[in-house]
Amino acid sequence: AAGVIQSPRHLIKEKRETATLKCYPIPRHDTVYWYQQGPGQDPQFLISFYEKMQSDKGSIPDRFSAQQFSDYHSELNMSSLELGDSALYFCASRAGTGIETQYFGPGTRLLVL
Amino acid sequence: AQSVTQPDIHITVSEGASLELRCNYSYGATPYLFWYVQSPGQGLQLLLKYFSGDTLVQGIKGFEAEFKRSQSSFNLRKPSVHWSDAAEYFCAVGAVESGGGADGLTFGKGTHLIIQP
Repeated sequence: AAGVIQSPRHLIKEKRETATLKCYPIPRHDTVYWYQQGPGQDPQFLISFYEKMQSDKGSIPDRFSAQQFSDYHSELNMSSLELGDSALYFCASRAGTGIETQYFGPGTRLLVL
Repeated sequence: AQSVTQPDIHITVSEGASLELRCNYSYGATPYLFWYVQSPGQGLQLLLKYFSGDTLVQGIKGFEAEFKRSQSSFNLRKPSVHWSDAAEYFCAVGAVESGGGADGLTFGKGTHLIIQP
């Protein structure tokens, strides 16, 4: 079965640079979530989209923005990167907004030097 | 706001022994509950979920969990662990909102499972 695809899988950036992470949901899933997992931490919800509109917002820094496109893929844009942004970034997708399971992608590991 | 507590940061179990990982949640509305497993450097794999109905749910890899509303708990169990079960286990809670919406999950801090030979 098709899974959530995230690219790139690994990314190394310098402080103050920008980064763009991409997420391709499972086919026919119209809801996308972004989570950040710091080293040794639990995943923290950042933001979600349903039908290309922002649906819920968690602890996403103002330096980050995200959007969902017409083909339902999503991009997380991160600017003015800080050392503390080094983390594993997960995307999850779901069909609709009701009682459905979120399926997680493999994550993008971002290292900020 | 919802919260999840996993009281045990680390648990060590001998291979072949039984396992129980604790999870307590706090949420005013009807919760839906998940257990995910994460191997080092890997993504989150869903073990099982509870939405409604039978309070004992079966998952993959021989895991089960029991929802106890009176105790606000959703403990994960396995009768006999294998060395390959060594991983980080996360309990998560989501909201069942009448208005819908794509609310993010709230995760516990995780329990690191170590399997002794």
